Amino acid sequence: AQTVTQSQPEMSVQEAETVTLSCTYDTSESDYYLFWYKQPPSRQMILVIRQEAYKQQNATENRFSVNFQKAAKSFSLKISDSQLGDAAMYFCAYRSANQAGTALIFGKGTTLSVSS
Amino acid sequence: EPEVTQTPSHQVTQMGQEVILRCVPISNHLYFYWYRQILGQKVEFLVSFYNNEISEKSEIFDDQFSVERPDGSNFTLKIRSTKLEDSAMYFCASILSGSGNTIYFGEGSWLTVV
Repeated sequence: AQTVTQSQPEMSVQEAETVTLSCTYDTSESDYYLFWYKQPPSRQMILVIRQEAYKQQNATENRFSVNFQKAAKSFSLKISDSQLGDAAMYFCAYRSANQAGTALIFGKGTTLSVSS
Repeated sequence: EPEVTQTPSHQVTQMGQEVILRCVPISNHLYFYWYRQILGQKVEFLVSFYNNEISEKSEIFDDQFSVERPDGSNFTLKIRSTKLEDSAMYFCASILSGSGNTIYFGEGSWLTVV
């Protein structure tokens, strides 16, 4: 079974600085997707960024980028120029591409606080 | 942008009562999911639904839980006899097709069992 591990329960960053959230996963599959979701205090799940395992190029969405290391099974999220609105719980998630409709598997989350 | 909608946003119920949580997935989506998040914990998969039947379920999804799509638009989660430990945020989600596309989440239904 696949597992997702986020080893940092809490992280903090100052406004305008850069922070990296770690995620590792375990799978025997070669084809899958990885995601970072943001959960602000409203508790809504908001997709931040996604990465297809077959793509070598790291995904980027504005201030958010990932460092995808397939061999190491590592998928970290970098937030540049941090803003107060980035404060939230961040979940790393895995989804198999081998079977239609498979569910997301989440890590335990990292709470990010941003200070001014 | 199309969105997944859930009702109610918050429900308080007495232990032993039946609860139905409702979801309207995005209209052309084919797979539907329920997830649960106990306060302060990770998001856990409950069940997935495709073509009017359960396609996958977790160990959490026992006989107390059921899902159905009664009218082609709503997707419901029923908890037959609620327990204190059922208190959680319940998220509905949907996806266009089986692979590749992003899973979209609703805003959640916060269930408090007293």
